[in-house]
Amino acid sequence: NAGVTQTPKFQVLKTGQSMTLQCAQDMNHEYMSWYRQDPGMGLRLIHYSVGAGITDQGEVPNGYNVSRSTTEDFPLRLLSAAPSQTSVYFCASSYRAGMGYTFGSGTRLTVV
Amino acid sequence: SQQGEEDPQALSIQEGENATMNCSYKTSINNLQWYRQNSGRGLVHLILIRSNEREKHSGRLRVTLDTSKKSSSLLITASRAADTASYFCATDAFLEGGGADGLTFGKGTHLIIQP
Repeated sequence: NAGVTQTPKFQVLKTGQSMTLQCAQDMNHEYMSWYRQDPGMGLRLIHYSVGAGITDQGEVPNGYNVSRSTTEDFPLRLLSAAPSQTSVYFCASSYRAGMGYTFGSGTRLTVV
Repeated sequence: SQQGEEDPQALSIQEGENATMNCSYKTSINNLQWYRQNSGRGLVHLILIRSNEREKHSGRLRVTLDTSKKSSSLLITASRAADTASYFCATDAFLEGGGADGLTFGKGTHLIIQP
């Protein structure tokens, strides 16, 4: 099993550009979520999904959109990139509520 | 806002010694989880303790949970150089009706094991 796969691993964007960070899991996990990690801040929840077709906002959702059309995929869209979105982004999945999460290896995003 | 706060922020010990990290949180939880992150890598799930449990072991790891004080500790015994990493606690909030809404992380403890 591949686990949680995130692409790309690195990305540089110009302010105002849009892009989609991809996340896919092959473990048939119902729960998926996106986090950003900034220096000294730990991880903060952006959006999460409890199943296909169901998404909700986390702690820091502004500037990001998500959709969950399949169980496997949970892409994160940056609508108009800003320097404040420079961060490392992690996708994670869990089989069900109350279980541990499997994390992807992250996408390091720089917005200039 | 951050749910958990780890203490200490950084810890440096000699190989073979025990390492203890603490975590405090603010709201009611279903469970508390500990993760390890090696530099530049993703997080790895270490151990999960449910709100009705007080202590749990996994190999060289021992986790305790005190829900009355809203705190947890992670003990790593007989530390090794490979244990050098950042350690995060994360809480899975209690929701009426069940379900989950993602994890809330602390800022982490950076552990350095000196050979």
